[in-house]
Amino acid sequence: EAQVTQNPRYLITVTGKKLTVTCSQNMNHEYMSWYRQDPGLGLRQIYYSMNVEVTDKGDVPEGYKVSRKEKRNFPLILESPSPNQTSLYFCASSGQGWGYNEQFFGPGTRLTVL
Amino acid sequence: EDKVVQSPLSLVVHEGDTVTLNCSYEVTNFRSLLWYKQEKKAPTFLFMLTSSGIEKKSGRLSSILDKKELFSILNITATQTGDSAIYLCGGGSNYKLTFGKGTLLTVNP
Repeated sequence: EAQVTQNPRYLITVTGKKLTVTCSQNMNHEYMSWYRQDPGLGLRQIYYSMNVEVTDKGDVPEGYKVSRKEKRNFPLILESPSPNQTSLYFCASSGQGWGYNEQFFGPGTRLTVL
Repeated sequence: EDKVVQSPLSLVVHEGDTVTLNCSYEVTNFRSLLWYKQEKKAPTFLFMLTSSGIEKKSGRLSSILDKKELFSILNITATQTGDSAIYLCGGGSNYKLTFGKGTLLTVNP
């Protein structure tokens, strides 16, 4: 089944404790992206990747890092999480550029930083 | 900076009503306008619009794009309680998909 998976689905952590949210897709997609969703602010892009070793900042990259060492995986790293990073995070992938066809979204990761 | 604005932000209707959701956009190197439906989980794809004036339909849902006026509408006819969701509109360029804040639709029985 074609899908995007994320882990963990739920995470409660404390300020400053490094964490990684994994994202994996099995559709051989080149384009992958991370979003955060906050009430009243909609979905905002954090980082995106156009291929292995090619990443760039989205609209809200501060406090996040990403890497793309393999085509299928695009982990999101929070080196020193803060409470303002409490949010719902979605990973998405697309076979072509984002304006060319639909994105497939992962199930989401709800992160709480205390 | 790319911008997508949806209206209204929330809407409450009764089953059987017809609703129109609006999306205006300012996207550099615009390629397409995408609509998604989000219930209590990940967004699911509804439509992608690239050409002006061509309506896309799927059952009771339809959407159209006006590239001259930079907006799109999503129509839902004969609404059902299962249509209750957040509807997201996104403007796509080569490297980015910028979303609006969404319209929260509540359909009451």
